[in-house]
Order: sequence, then C-alpha cells, then structure tokens
Amino acid sequence: EAQVTQNPRYLITVTGKKLTVTCSQNMNHEYMSWYRQDPGLGLRQIYYSMNVEVTDKGDVPEGYKVSRKEKRNFPLILESPSPNQTSLYFCASSSPRDSPYNEQFFGPGTRLTVL
Amino acid sequence: GQSLEQPSEVTAVEGAIVQINCTYQTSGFYGLSWYQQHDGGAPTFLSYNALDGLEETGRFSSFLSRSDSYGYLLLQELQMKDSASYFCAVRFSYNAGNNRKLIWGLGTSLAVNP
Repeated sequence: EAQVTQNPRYLITVTGKKLTVTCSQNMNHEYMSWYRQDPGLGLRQIYYSMNVEVTDKGDVPEGYKVSRKEKRNFPLILESPSPNQTSLYFCASSSPRDSPYNEQFFGPGTRLTVL
Repeated sequence: GQSLEQPSEVTAVEGAIVQINCTYQTSGFYGLSWYQQHDGGAPTFLSYNALDGLEETGRFSSFLSRSDSYGYLLLQELQMKDSASYFCAVRFSYNAGNNRKLIWGLGTSLAVNP
C-alpha cells in the first residue's frame, strides 16, 4: 500500500530534550516536506527537500533541522524543543513526474507536546 | 508577497450545495489545489486547477479564474461526512528555474447539519 508513515504518532516531552520524528514514504517520491499545523494558522511549511541531499527552509524553520540521506526518509529533528513547538506535525511527499498537479500525500500526523 | 484568503467557517444542511471561495495574490501562479481534512486527520487531495474553468469529480467541483485570481470548491448533495476543513493551496514558481512552492490558505471549516 502506498503510504507515508510517521513515528511517533503522539509524543509528550520536556523542554530541551532532543527528539526526532521520523517520516518514510514508499512511493519513490522526490519531494518531501514537513508542516506544522496550529489552530487558526493553517499548515505552515517547516522544511522541504527536492531530492536526496537537497533540503531548504520553508516558512517557519527556526528550531528545526532535517536531513535527506535516503530518498524514502526525511526525519525532523528538534535539537532543543520549546513549548512553542507544541503542535501537530505532518510529513508529506509528492512526485512532480507522477502527478502534474503535484498532489501531496500526507502522513497521519504527529501530535507533539513540549512541557 | 504571496497570500490566500478563504472564509473561516461555512454552515450548510444535508443535501444542499455549498461553495467555498479562495482568492489569492501571488506571482508566478502555477495552479490551485483543494484539500480536505477531517478533525485530527491528514489532509487529502481533492482537486487541482491550472487552467480557467470548472473541473468536476463526482459531487465535488473546482473552478478557477486566473484573471480574477479566484477559485472555488463546490460541494453538491452535501452529506454529514463532508463536515471537515477545506484548504486551498496555490502552487507558484519562486525563481527563474523550475522550482515551485505551495502556499496554503488557513482553511474553511464546513459544518453540515441534518
């Protein structure tokens, strides 16, 4: 089954404790992206990657890191989480070659709470 | 800068028709997408318009007017399961190359009542 998976789905942590949210897709998509979603603020892009070893900042990259060492994986790293990073996080992937309209496939989301 | 506007909330009754509008300001416009998101769930793709006109997919249709920088999503024969948030997203080119980005509206919460 074609899908985007994220782990963990739920996480409660404390300020300053490094964490990684994993994202993996099995559709051979070149493009992957991380979003955060907060009430009243819609989906805001954190980082995106056009392909392996190619990453770029989105609209709200502060406090986050990413890497793209393999095509299927795009982990999101919070080196020192703070309470303002409490949010619902989505990973998404797409392939401009497969879909001329660049349909984004989203993972199930990770609900992160930083105390 | 780039911006999108859509209503924050819409209410309708089962069986009715509802239209959710989206206006945008962007350079390098490439296309307008619509996504549906149920509470706590992941956004799912509904439709895409790159050219002016109406695209129909079952009960859902999407319209685009590039000259007016405007589009809408039309939902017909509303069902309770259509209660969800609907996001418009604009794809645009941000440099001279082939690089394109998506910007998202804040979403419209649709409540379908019996």
